[in-house]
Amino acid sequence: EIVLTQSPATLSLSPGERATLSCRASQSIGTYLVWFQQRPGQTPRLLIYSASTRATGIPARFSGSGSGTDFTLTISSLEPEDFAVYYCQQRSNWPLSFGGGTKVEFK
Amino acid sequence: EVQLVESGGGLVKPGGSLRLSCAASGFTFTSYFMIWVRQAPGKGLEWVSSISHSTSYAVYADSVKGRFTISRDNAQNSVYLQMNGLRAEDTAIYYCTTYTQRGNFDYWGQGTLVSVSS
Repeated sequence: EIVLTQSPATLSLSPGERATLSCRASQSIGTYLVWFQQRPGQTPRLLIYSASTRATGIPARFSGSGSGTDFTLTISSLEPEDFAVYYCQQRSNWPLSFGGGTKVEFK
Repeated sequence: EVQLVESGGGLVKPGGSLRLSCAASGFTFTSYFMIWVRQAPGKGLEWVSSISHSTSYAVYADSVKGRFTISRDNAQNSVYLQMNGLRAEDTAIYYCTTYTQRGNFDYWGQGTLVSVSS
């Protein structure tokens, strides 16, 4: 089973700042990685697929990078609606697995 | 417009059973794997089970293997999750989602809450 480790667990930032979120896989997953955003009380929303492709309607301030075992989600300049929990998920092998999440909170 | 609508959640006693349903519309249902994902209160996301287009392939998380059964009815554009032997740790919101390996077609329902308590 592939384990995904997200860091940090919590990121305390202010609007306008840059957020850098990490997701590390326990073995190589190529680019079969997706990122989700989940706001309180809402369903998860796909942000990035294939490690670096923005999903339809996702603002350009969100970008993904990485391959193999190390991946990054970057939010270039935080908007108020970006304060949420972010999850990575690998789709390389069954069973599918999620990281534990990174909460981006107001500083 | 793609829509996924889950139903069938509720309160059940430990050891009991529930059958979740997910009605899909707005896309070619037979072209996609379908999966169930759950989220316990205040916790992260957990993949539960997946089923292939033709129902010939199904896979389960270890935590539910032997207790849950996924199925689909392509004529009805629906996917199901039969949950037997429910435990308190199965308490969660259960989401039905589309699935592609790349992630380029990814839609979620609003979820249905399953509570297991005596």
